Amino acid sequence: DAGVIQSPRHEVTEMGQEVTLRCKPISGHDYLFWYRQTMMRGLELLIYFNNNVPIDDSGMPEDRFSAKMPNASFSTLKIQPSEPRDSAVYFCASSPSRTPTGTDTQYFGPGTRLTVL
Amino acid sequence: TQLLEQSPQFLSIQEGENLTVYCNSSSVFSSLQWYRQEPGEGPVLLVTVVTGGEVKKLKRLTFQFGDARKDSSLHITAAQPGDTGLYLCAGDVADDKIIFGKGTRLHILP
Repeated sequence: DAGVIQSPRHEVTEMGQEVTLRCKPISGHDYLFWYRQTMMRGLELLIYFNNNVPIDDSGMPEDRFSAKMPNASFSTLKIQPSEPRDSAVYFCASSPSRTPTGTDTQYFGPGTRLTVL
Repeated sequence: TQLLEQSPQFLSIQEGENLTVYCNSSSVFSSLQWYRQEPGEGPVLLVTVVTGGEVKKLKRLTFQFGDARKDSSLHITAAQPGDTGLYLCAGDVADDKIIFGKGTRLHILP
């Protein structure tokens, strides 16, 4: 298995520019999660999808952030316009089940390190 | 706001020593997970605990879930340099939210 694939691995952009992060979940997984990780705030859940439908976006910080999942094998997280405080590592994870009980688990991608200058 | 507090935040010890890190909350969790994250990679699940008082062992790692399901500990016996990483606990609360602690950054000196 290729695991969860994220691109790009690194992104450096200037304040005000649009940023698009991409994720390919593990085939057959029904759930997809977007997280943001910083030293100050740790790992924060931004939004998650079930069968391509957004279920909970309460973690999305502002209207500048949007996420889509047009099909079961692809999702994007977009920031427009980007700001320096958006600098963080963004992770995508997929899971065969929403609730990680028993043997269920979330499988994380390698992350995208975003730097907004 | 439900929070998972992990302690210590940083820990640096010599190879061969034992250590324990903690994950505490005022909230009750239906399950709790421990992940390890290495630099440049995403977190990888180590274990899930579900029952209050449950103890699980993974080689030299021992995980315990508190009786009240509000806290957990991870004990490593005879730490090795390969144990170096960020250890995260994550709680699955009753309303299906998943929250992560900020982690304990562990460094094992050879």
